[in-house]
Amino acid sequence: EAEVAQSPRYKITEKSQAVAFWCDPISGHATLYWYRQILGQGPELLVQFQDESVVDDSQLPKDRFSAERLKGVDSTLKIQPAELGDSAMYLCASGYNDDTQYFGPGTRLTVL
Amino acid sequence: GENVEQHPSTLSVQEGDSAVIKCTYSDSASNYFPWYKQELGKGPQLIIDIRSNVGEKKDQRIAVTLNKTAKHFSLHITETQPEDSAVYFCAGHAGGTSYGKLTFGQGTILTVHP
Repeated sequence: EAEVAQSPRYKITEKSQAVAFWCDPISGHATLYWYRQILGQGPELLVQFQDESVVDDSQLPKDRFSAERLKGVDSTLKIQPAELGDSAMYLCASGYNDDTQYFGPGTRLTVL
Repeated sequence: GENVEQHPSTLSVQEGDSAVIKCTYSDSASNYFPWYKQELGKGPQLIIDIRSNVGEKKDQRIAVTLNKTAKHFSLHITETQPEDSAVYFCAGHAGGTSYGKLTFGQGTILTVHP
């Protein structure tokens, strides 16, 4: 069964450093999502791609976060500089051009 | 925007009992409602979903019901097993967009005691 791949699984960094997360969606899925999940809460959408285009980044803190999906396949989410409040699970999901979304295992970020 | 409320926040049952988790949503244009199961340290796993043109859907021990008039939907798990223990999230698809933007509830921690 095809799955969404994410790396790294865990990342520890110091504040003010740069971090990057990678996501490889299920083959053929045009829509890709990045979510942030704070412990004890539901995932919150950061950015949504349709192919290589951003269709929603209204909740992305653009002063420090950036996301790209250059060839419309895999995607990278970057934080620069990281802050203590960025500690969370970062989840990638993908889907066809409908509502159903499949999540990857996530990257657990700890900022010290 | 869409707002999804989920109850209860924690649920403890004995193995073999049934478990019910309820969610309400605010956007009457929402038309897709998935449920996810999340185990510790893992990503959410889609377990069942329902669309607004259906009132009930069942998959083995799991069922979901939808009441569009009251704007609420529920997850029913029968014959619970210890491996059902996890955090369960409901979500609603925000109306007004052609792309799948989901708003999640706060989650329910389900514990099934052997």
